[in-house]
Amino acid sequence: ETGVTQTPRHLVMGMTNKKSLKCEQHLGHNAMYWYKQSAKKPLELMFVYNFKEQTENNSVPSRFSPECPNSSHLFLHLHTLQPEDSALYLCASSHGTSGGARDTQYFGPGTRLTVL
Amino acid sequence: GIQVEQSPPDLILQEGANSTLRCNFSDSVNNLQWFHQNPWGQLINLFYIPSGTKQNGRLSATTVATERYSLLYISSSQTTDSGVYFCAAGPGTYKYIFGTGTRLKVLA
Repeated sequence: ETGVTQTPRHLVMGMTNKKSLKCEQHLGHNAMYWYKQSAKKPLELMFVYNFKEQTENNSVPSRFSPECPNSSHLFLHLHTLQPEDSALYLCASSHGTSGGARDTQYFGPGTRLTVL
Repeated sequence: GIQVEQSPPDLILQEGANSTLRCNFSDSVNNLQWFHQNPWGQLINLFYIPSGTKQNGRLSATTVATERYSLLYISSSQTTDSGVYFCAAGPGTYKYIFGTGTRLKVLA
């Protein structure tokens, strides 16, 4: 779906670099999510923001730092990453108020990150 | 926490064949979605189906919440159906647990 966009689509960085991933949703949603998808593993929820407040931090290392300045934008700031952090990072959004299909999550195309 | 298991892990079909993918979950859930991940990594919503049956073209899904499983049916498969199918289940509003997926390859 074109409702959730992510930039960049591909990123190669060294372990000492600092970079940021950006997600933007155009669906009028209030909840936004970061997921990590590593090879041969299920998607792992990293962070959840609802109405700009962080509601979930799934024991993510501090080298990943999320930021949600408003309900439409979500960032993931990266610093001193390790090679095992190489993965597809996916952003998603949902309505953010509970109730049936309003919990449906819509995903962006992902950023494929390689840490050298 | 909730465990989500999908079967089979891999499936190869000839074009035109039908298939059934299964998702078992270990506890009661309020939310359940099926996704298709295409070769470029994009996750596409197929169904939001915490209970009942839905159909969309050649795809249909059934969730029997009391027995903690969901099924995704693909009929008359096409090569464009290839990819990975994920089931995601969650007890509440925000937290979905994803299964490991079924990797489908449809041969022309």
